[in-house]
Amino acid sequence: AQSVTQLGSHVSVSEGALVLLRCNYSSSVPPYLFWYVQYPNQGLQLLLKYTSAATLVKGINGFEAEFKKSETSFHLTKPSAHMSDAAEYFCAVSDPSSFGNEKLTFGTGTRLTIIP
Amino acid sequence: GAGVSQSPRYKVAKRGQDVALRCDPISGHVSLFWYQQALGQGPEFLTYFQNEAQLDKSGLPSDRFFAERPEGSVSTLKIQRTQQEDSAVYLCASSLEWTENNEQFFGPGTRLTVL
Repeated sequence: AQSVTQLGSHVSVSEGALVLLRCNYSSSVPPYLFWYVQYPNQGLQLLLKYTSAATLVKGINGFEAEFKKSETSFHLTKPSAHMSDAAEYFCAVSDPSSFGNEKLTFGTGTRLTIIP
Repeated sequence: GAGVSQSPRYKVAKRGQDVALRCDPISGHVSLFWYQQALGQGPEFLTYFQNEAQLDKSGLPSDRFFAERPEGSVSTLKIQRTQQEDSAVYLCASSLEWTENNEQFFGPGTRLTVL
């Protein structure tokens, strides 16, 4: 079975400061890993994904994440926070060996607040 | 439309009523997923279709939940005899097909409130 753990249900950072959202995974096989963002009353939008290529993944809106197998982590970062980054962020994992059924297992989410 | 659409966006049901939630995936997308997102939680997988075939329904919480996709496009999630614990946002996602670069596109969800 696969799972992800997101440390910190709420994170607050000042505008312009570094954003760091933590995600650790558990998987019996090399996983695919994802970060999604959810704005109020909207669906989930993919920020970035790791699919066993480069371990440092760059996504949209200036976000990036690094896959660290030794730490079983896939933390999301952004050098400088903008007010528009305020949202709920979800880390997710899928099993690449489950051909044709790439269902996602999500963490419980981290609500990011940006302080002006 | 360009994205995944879901209807209704909001549904209030009395306990014991049946409800039907609709998902219109992106045209041409082969895979379709339903997820349930309880308040303050991450989405949880319910069921998966590849075209009209329901290949995985392991996440459906009880036999009151039923999903179909008869023509391989629009899908309906039906909940019979709704209970208060069914209150959640139901998300639908579609993807073109399984490839290493695949992406699931999510709809805005249907917020179900059972009184």
